[in-house]
Parts: sequence; C-alpha cells; structure tokens
Amino acid sequence: EAQVTQNPRYLITVTGKKLTVTCSQNMNHEYMSWYRQDPGLGLRQIYYSMNVEVTDKGDVPEGYKVSRKEKRNFPLILESPSPNQTSLYFCASSLAVTGPNTEAFFGQGTRLTVV
Amino acid sequence: AQSVTQLDSQVPVFEEAPVELRCNYSSSVSVYLFWYVQYPNQGLQLLLKYLSGSTLVKGINGFEAEFNKSQTSFHLRKPSVHISDTAEYFCAVGWAESYQLTFGKGTKLSVIP
Repeated sequence: EAQVTQNPRYLITVTGKKLTVTCSQNMNHEYMSWYRQDPGLGLRQIYYSMNVEVTDKGDVPEGYKVSRKEKRNFPLILESPSPNQTSLYFCASSLAVTGPNTEAFFGQGTRLTVV
Repeated sequence: AQSVTQLDSQVPVFEEAPVELRCNYSSSVSVYLFWYVQYPNQGLQLLLKYLSGSTLVKGINGFEAEFNKSQTSFHLRKPSVHISDTAEYFCAVGWAESYQLTFGKGTKLSVIP
C-alpha cells in the first residue's frame, strides 16, 4: 500500500531534550516536506527536500533541522525543543518538485507536546 | 509572496443542505489547485485537483470545484451534505515557478443533523 509513515504519532517531551520524528514513504517520491498545523494558522511548511541531500527552508524553519540521506526517509529533528513547538506535525511527499505532479500525500501526523 | 485565502474559518450547515467553501489565491499565472480534507485525528487526503482542462472538477464523496481564472478562485461545492462530511477542508495552490504548495488556513465544516 502506498503510504507516508510517521513515528511516533504522539510525543510528550521536556524543554531542551533532543528528539527526532521519523518519516518514510514507499512511493519513490522525489519531493518531501514537513508542515506544522496550529489552530487558526493552517499548515505552514517547515522544510522541504527536492531530492537526496537537497533540502531547503520553508516558511517556519527556526528550531528545526532535517536530513535526506536516502530517498525514502526525511526525519525532522528538534535539537532543543521549546513549548512554542508544541503542535501537530505532518510529513508529506509528492512525485515531482513542480508542475502537475505536486499532489501531496500526507502522513497521519505527530502530535508533539513540549512541557 | 503568493497567498491562499479561505474566507470562512467555520461553516455550519444543516444535513442535506448545499454548501460552498470559498478559496481565493493571489496570482493568476500557471497554477495547480487542490482541495484536501482532514477528518478528526487524521491526516490530510486529497478531495480533488485542477491541473488543466475543464474548469469544473469532480472529486470524491460528491464534491466538486470550479476554477475561475479571472477571479482567481477555486470554490468547493456539494449539493447535499451528510453528517460524515464534518471535517476541516484546506485549499492548496502550487505555482509553476515555485517548489512549494501553499495552503489556506482551513475551513471547518460542521454538518448539523
């Protein structure tokens, strides 16, 4: 089954404790991205990757890191989480970088709480 | 910067009544338009998309949307809603020269029995 898999689905952590949210897709998609969803703000892009070893900042990259060492995986790293990073996070992938194949396929989401 | 505006943050509607969820975007150059639906505690799934061709696009669950280039709009409609349509709906736009999909802030549709 074609899918984007995120882990964990739920995470509660303390301020300053490094964490990683994993994302994996099995569709051989080139483009992957991370979004955060906050009430009243919709989805805002954190980082995106156009291919292996190619990543770039989205609209709200501060406090986050990513890596793309393999095509299928795109982990999101919070080196020193803070309470303002409490949010619902989504990983997404799409076949192409631009054009009609930019339809995004989403993971189920990771609800992160930083206390 | 390009932007996507969903004019209504919440839309309550009675069951079996018609509904329209509005979406406008900032530029009329080559665009690709999408509507996504998010059911409670789930991820986003594609409802329908406009890439080219006919301006009226039909999607899943009886939804349709119309691309209006002159008004830079892509409104979502359904002639008769069901309780199961209660969800949040997001309009998204991809511009030909951009590497990003830009999302609107979402519209929460509440269907009242």
